[in-house]
Amino acid sequence: DVKVTQSSRYLVKRTGEKVFLECVQDMDHENMFWYRQDPGLGLRLIYFSYDVKMKEKGDIPEGYSVSREKKERFSLILESASTNQTSMYLCASSFRQTRFTIYFGEGSWLTVV
Amino acid sequence: DAKTTQPNSMESNEEEPVHLPCNHSTISGTDYIHWYRQLPSQGPEYVIHGLTSNVNNRMASLAIAEDRKSSTLILHRATLRDAAVYYCIALTEGGADGLTFGKGTHLIIQP
Repeated sequence: DVKVTQSSRYLVKRTGEKVFLECVQDMDHENMFWYRQDPGLGLRLIYFSYDVKMKEKGDIPEGYSVSREKKERFSLILESASTNQTSMYLCASSFRQTRFTIYFGEGSWLTVV
Repeated sequence: DAKTTQPNSMESNEEEPVHLPCNHSTISGTDYIHWYRQLPSQGPEYVIHGLTSNVNNRMASLAIAEDRKSSTLILHRATLRDAAVYYCIALTEGGADGLTFGKGTHLIIQP
């Protein structure tokens, strides 16, 4: 089975802290994604990557950055966490040619206080 | 990418079939229809996808209208574990742009 593993299920961080959310996939997928999900707003794409060291902005990249140094790992970085970044963050991956058969991790619940 | 329209919620009884509708009237000839579902407190999971023909897998069946302007996800025998939000998405394969999820249909299963 495909496995997308997010490093932390629940985190509580203080405003202004730098936050790293890590994601690892074990299926040799080219594409990796970071979403956030908020009640009433659905899933929104933050960033995606289609290859090592490549990244593309999604719909809501402001306040976030990403890093993809290895094919299996995609990190989401909150440079200076703010309370409006309290959310559930979902990592996902897919093969390039079947990009819409996407496999999601279980999610990371981030609370910024 | 085609806009999809789904009912906000639906209710069904356990062990009965469930038909979840999706309208995608602006779909193009190369847009695949994908269905995902999201169980409570989990990430979405892939259910099924198709282009023109009806599709079956171990989770569900996908019935696509002849004009492709609508489709129906069929759960043949709903269980309580099928209670989830179901998302219908119509997009063209290729590239790396992420899926855009709408609000989906919240499926409630009554015992």
